[in-house]
Amino acid sequence: AQSVSQHNHHVILSEAASLELGCNYSYGGTVNLFWYVQYPGQHLQLLLKYFSGDPLVKGIKGFEAEFIKSKFSFNLRKPSVQWSDTAEYFCAVNSGGGADGLTFGKGTHLIIQP
Amino acid sequence: GAVVSQHPSWVICKSGTSVKIECRSLDFQATTMFWYRQFPKQSLMLMATSNEGSKATYEQGVEKDKFLINHASLTLSTLTVTSAHPEDSSFYICSANPPPAYEQYFGPGTRLTVT
Repeated sequence: AQSVSQHNHHVILSEAASLELGCNYSYGGTVNLFWYVQYPGQHLQLLLKYFSGDPLVKGIKGFEAEFIKSKFSFNLRKPSVQWSDTAEYFCAVNSGGGADGLTFGKGTHLIIQP
Repeated sequence: GAVVSQHPSWVICKSGTSVKIECRSLDFQATTMFWYRQFPKQSLMLMATSNEGSKATYEQGVEKDKFLINHASLTLSTLTVTSAHPEDSSFYICSANPPPAYEQYFGPGTRLTVT
């Protein structure tokens, strides 16, 4: 069975600070990895995804993530956060076929202070 | 991008009644849709995979008879919570994969409150 662990449940940063949110997964086979964001009162939106190829993935709104297979990690980064990045961030995984349901981490509540 | 809608956005029902929630893919056809449940301040938990024209696949621990799923067309899946009880109160979210099936788009969710 798959599992996803997000280390930081609440993160508070000031604007312009750099961000890194940790995500580790547990699964022995090929995985697809995702980061989703949920802004207050809105539905989940895909930030970025990794299926194969270059382990450094760039997404929308200046976010990027790096897949490190040896560490079973897929950490999310942004060099300079903005107040509008305040949201809930979820790491998710499904198996290699890509058409399966997602297993989510518990989420990280990010607050950016102006 | 692909759009997934849900109806209703919120519903309040009395204990013992049944509630139907609709999930629609608005601009693409989806042979597979997924139903998730999200408890307050917690993550999403996959409940079941809805397959067009065949039976749904339920995750371990999800009661098939309580959460009835019907995927009658390529754009519509429904989740019926039967004989609802207060513990069924939750946020229910659906998603669908437009082809190719690697990226899920999520609906806005349905808030169910059982009194």
